[in-house]
Amino acid sequence: KNEVEQSPQNLTAQEGEFITINCSYSVGISALHWLQQHPGGGIVSLFMLSSGKKKHGRLIATINIQEKHSSLHITASHPRDSAVYICAAGGGSQGNLIFGKGTKLSVKP
Amino acid sequence: NAGVTQTPKFRILKIGQSMTLQCTQDMNHNYMYWYRQDPGMGLKLIYYSVGAGITDKGEVPNGYNVSRSTTEDFPLRLELAAPSQTSVYFCASIPGGGYEQYFGPGTRLTVT
Repeated sequence: KNEVEQSPQNLTAQEGEFITINCSYSVGISALHWLQQHPGGGIVSLFMLSSGKKKHGRLIATINIQEKHSSLHITASHPRDSAVYICAAGGGSQGNLIFGKGTKLSVKP
Repeated sequence: NAGVTQTPKFRILKIGQSMTLQCTQDMNHNYMYWYRQDPGMGLKLIYYSVGAGITDKGEVPNGYNVSRSTTEDFPLRLELAAPSQTSVYFCASIPGGGYEQYFGPGTRLTVT
């Protein structure tokens, strides 16, 4: 069993839909990261959170430490949100991360 | 700031050849990382460094070497390329533990 599991692996949505991507982890962490990988391959950090909820624009990330579960929500999805979303569990002082396999999101106009 | 830069963007190697993947950051970050990304798999840590002169193995270090002589540069060396090293390689950096990682654009390497 992978230490960081994401679901679903693939997700197709219509523009405007509310989207949820889930991440479960089995390791102890100091923070949970959400990353976005664009179709061109570049990776950017979206969120780093250790408790509660964070919001940037239409993106919301939540984490439940007791259940070892995090979710990434996208409200009013748009075709430009099409990307691979990666969850990563971080622990320790060296900043090392354990990555999920990613969720490929495609938003159709 | 240019952030994290990687060269080359693409490379094709023959089996047994050697090469160095370059990674440079201009943010004065102490911590740097090398990952590989294989199709359908999560990023895997190859090597990391918490400061100049300090390097350590990650999850998949075999077949690779690194050095960290300056804060800015963290090159990854492949000595005897094998087809199993065909992958996309990403370099990343952070100021210290507990921060979001900044990624380079990646190097796509094919070994044939």
